[in-house]
Amino acid sequence: GNSVTQMEGPVTLSEEAFLTINCTYTATGYPSLFWYVQYPGEGLQLLLKATKADDKGSNKGFEATYRKETTSFHLEKGSVQVSDSAVYFCALSDPIGGGKSTFGDGTTLTVKP
Amino acid sequence: DAGVTQSPTHLIKTRGQQVTLRCSPKSGHDTVSWYQQALGQGPQFIFQYYEEEERQRGNFPDRFSGHQFPNYSSELNVNALLLGDSALYLCASSLELLSGETQYFGPGTRLLVL
Repeated sequence: GNSVTQMEGPVTLSEEAFLTINCTYTATGYPSLFWYVQYPGEGLQLLLKATKADDKGSNKGFEATYRKETTSFHLEKGSVQVSDSAVYFCALSDPIGGGKSTFGDGTTLTVKP
Repeated sequence: DAGVTQSPTHLIKTRGQQVTLRCSPKSGHDTVSWYQQALGQGPQFIFQYYEEEERQRGNFPDRFSGHQFPNYSSELNVNALLLGDSALYLCASSLELLSGETQYFGPGTRLLVL
């Protein structure tokens, strides 16, 4: 079956540090890949997505590139802010599975001033 | 334009009881998916409704059932509640969910089973 593996957290960084959260996946078809962010007490918000190999998703300074050869979709940001503190989820949506999403376990990011 | 709404926001039940959670999709969306998010984990897919039919189902027992109404809103029912059913239940809507389509999530219903 499909699966998503994220780097274990929590991750603690100082403001303006570089962020990388690793994500690798296993899928039977050609999935679309997503990063979601969850702030305390809230639901999930889509951060960015990529629908085919070599696509780069980007939003709010975050980027991730769909790497089919390494089955990865690592999240990066050049300079994090305190307001980026949240839980980040990597997910895939597989057309063979009817589009249902499979999520990783999440990575908690804390950014200190 | 209202996004995905869910009710209630919080709920406390005891073992063996039954619960119904409700979801209204984002305007224009016709597909609703339900997810269970246990504390410290990622959301797990429960099932998906499209055109009032259950189209996909995850690895959840028959105690979990659902319904979609003609206006595309949806209900999640859980019977014979267990302590392990305590979780955040998320509803997500999209337009005819296909791979690549963006799902919009509601704020969730936090269920506590005592």
